[in-house]
Amino acid sequence: DQQVKQNSPSLSVQEGRISILNCDYTNSMFDYFLWYKKYPAEGPTFLISISSIKDKNEDGRFTVFLNKSAKHLSLHIVPSQPGDSAVYFCAATRRGSARQLTFGSGTQLTVLP
Amino acid sequence: SQTIHQWPATLVQPVGSPLSLECTVEGTSNPNLYWYRQAAGRGLQLLFYSVGIGQISSEVPQNLSASRPQDRQFILSSKKLLLSDSGFYLCAWSVSTSTQYFGPGTRLTVL
Repeated sequence: DQQVKQNSPSLSVQEGRISILNCDYTNSMFDYFLWYKKYPAEGPTFLISISSIKDKNEDGRFTVFLNKSAKHLSLHIVPSQPGDSAVYFCAATRRGSARQLTFGSGTQLTVLP
Repeated sequence: SQTIHQWPATLVQPVGSPLSLECTVEGTSNPNLYWYRQAAGRGLQLLFYSVGIGQISSEVPQNLSASRPQDRQFILSSKKLLLSDSGFYLCAWSVSTSTQYFGPGTRLTVL
């Protein structure tokens, strides 16, 4: 059972435009959500997170939106830059031992110059 | 600042051979430690996690095992590798928050 889903395996966006990456989850016990960025042959890099008590968190060009009723979150990147091209993973966690993360399958973002 | 190391960076091993991957964290005490695997074209799967020395929890029954002999050291092992063990292995740490920070990873190819 895939509790965190990223239904778009890939996304292409023109440089300077907005990139919107989507993520859906099924477990209503999740209370904290994270986005990671990953380049090939490297470990994921933490980007931004959001608690379930909020519906928006912003950090520079990155904004994460959470819609709890729809069990949906999205990552907005504005403006998109070629260096943003990478695989983006969303992850979710809930209260419990060690706060394990459940990851989606990732979305490959390509920003075209 | 905190740093996480993994080695080796790449490894090619024959089927049936043993495995030992090491992860160490610097700059923090009593971290939670995690082992993940990313198979080709797939997401990250949690294999093991540890909340303290000698405490290991397994998420997926398999051919692998983990140990935590010291506070900031986490080891992933296998007695006999299978072809299906090939993948990208990632170690991560966290303290007090839900954010996990990942190491550079080890690319394992089993032939």
